[in-house]
Amino acid sequence: QLQLQESGPRLVKPSETLSLTCVVSGDSISSPTSYWAWIRQPPGKGLEWIGTIYYSGTSYNKSLKSRVTVSVDASKTQFSLNLTSVTAADTALYYCAKGGPYTSSWYDYWGQGMLVTVAS
Amino acid sequence: QSVLTQPPSVSGAPGQRVTISCTGSSSNIGAGYDVHWYQQFPGTAPKLLIYANNNRPSGVPDRFSGSKSGTSASLAITGLQAEDEADYYCQSYDSSLSVLFGGGTKLTVL
Repeated sequence: QLQLQESGPRLVKPSETLSLTCVVSGDSISSPTSYWAWIRQPPGKGLEWIGTIYYSGTSYNKSLKSRVTVSVDASKTQFSLNLTSVTAADTALYYCAKGGPYTSSWYDYWGQGMLVTVAS
Repeated sequence: QSVLTQPPSVSGAPGQRVTISCTGSSSNIGAGYDVHWYQQFPGTAPKLLIYANNNRPSGVPDRFSGSKSGTSASLAITGLQAEDEADYYCQSYDSSLSVLFGGGTKLTVL
């Protein structure tokens, strides 16, 4: 059974970099039909796609693209999110999720989510 | 505002049928991209409810159904139950290579 678990600092200072990791168990990040995404949800608001990494590359939300990097670690068991120059508007519940088998597919597995607060 | 438009709220009495709309444009739903639906309870991660317009994952009751036409899609819930009270989100894809979510709809069971 596939499981995803987010981890990282829960408090980030304004202008610094938000870094989160998603540990994947029960599936291979290297699978060509799997799409690994970060999705966030500000408190009391809706879902916003941040970016996706897959076997042949990455894609990012254009409104965040200049600040976002999604990568897979060398062990191929986790993928990460880096969001630079954060502001209070980046305070949100951050989810990692697995989609597939193509870029426009659904997300059938989600992590439990991690609330990250941007504050000094 | 979200590119995919959903009504902020809908309501219905137990046993009734409700529908939630998701309106896009010619660059996303109208371009032929599939629509997917999620159910989210407070404090929990979204759960896939309908994928590829009208398919239910294993375990989802057949009271839930999806449809798509033109630049819009709909989620229908029949035989409404108190446990259906949740937030519902549609998702699609855009020709600009972006994953899109609707703004979400809060379903209240009266």
